Amino acid sequence: EPEVTQTPSHQVTQMGQEVILRCVPISNHLYFYWYRQILGQKVEFLVSFYNNEISEKSEIFDDQFSVERPDGSNFTLKIRSTKLEDSAMYFCASCAGVEETQYFGPGTRLLVL
Amino acid sequence: AQTVTQSQPEMSVQEAETVTLSCTYDTSENNYYLFWYKQPPSRQMILVIRQEAYKQQNATENRFSVNFQKAAKSFSLKISDSQLGDTAMYFCAFMRSNTGTASKLTFGTGTRLQVTL
Repeated sequence: EPEVTQTPSHQVTQMGQEVILRCVPISNHLYFYWYRQILGQKVEFLVSFYNNEISEKSEIFDDQFSVERPDGSNFTLKIRSTKLEDSAMYFCASCAGVEETQYFGPGTRLLVL
Repeated sequence: AQTVTQSQPEMSVQEAETVTLSCTYDTSENNYYLFWYKQPPSRQMILVIRQEAYKQQNATENRFSVNFQKAAKSFSLKISDSQLGDTAMYFCAFMRSNTGTASKLTFGTGTRLQVTL
């Protein structure tokens, strides 16, 4: 069964460093998302992406964040200058259509020291 | 803006018993979708069940079923014949319809379910 994959599974970085989180959505999916979950809290929406453009972004998704689909398979989230409060689990999700179910990847656990 | 409320932070159920997790939401939309996702200790987000608001019939998926009360804006999850593998965090989520583009999920705060022997 097709699934969303994410790399790395864990990332430790120093405050102020840039990180890139990678996702490979399900191959025939067209809509892509990033969510994050700070430990012990609920899952929060960051950004949605379709047709090589951001569809919607949350207040969390400020100028430090960017997304890209550099080729036909990968979908990346870049944090330019990480802060301590960026420590969280980051989930990528994808779906086939506008009102279809979103399927999640296993997440990347980011720790900023 | 939509909000999703899960008022039970933690619940416990014995193996083979039935448990119901509560979820309420607030929206001015008439068409939307509701979901339950399961997050086991591995922290993977796994879809449990989906409900379309325009459907009166409650969704079922094997041992999992929902009680969708649109007028009351209530969407509870019933797990029958609970199994140890059902131990997880359960999140209720809302998604708008008819946006014409990628719709985000709005999640509740979750209910931690422990299945015991």
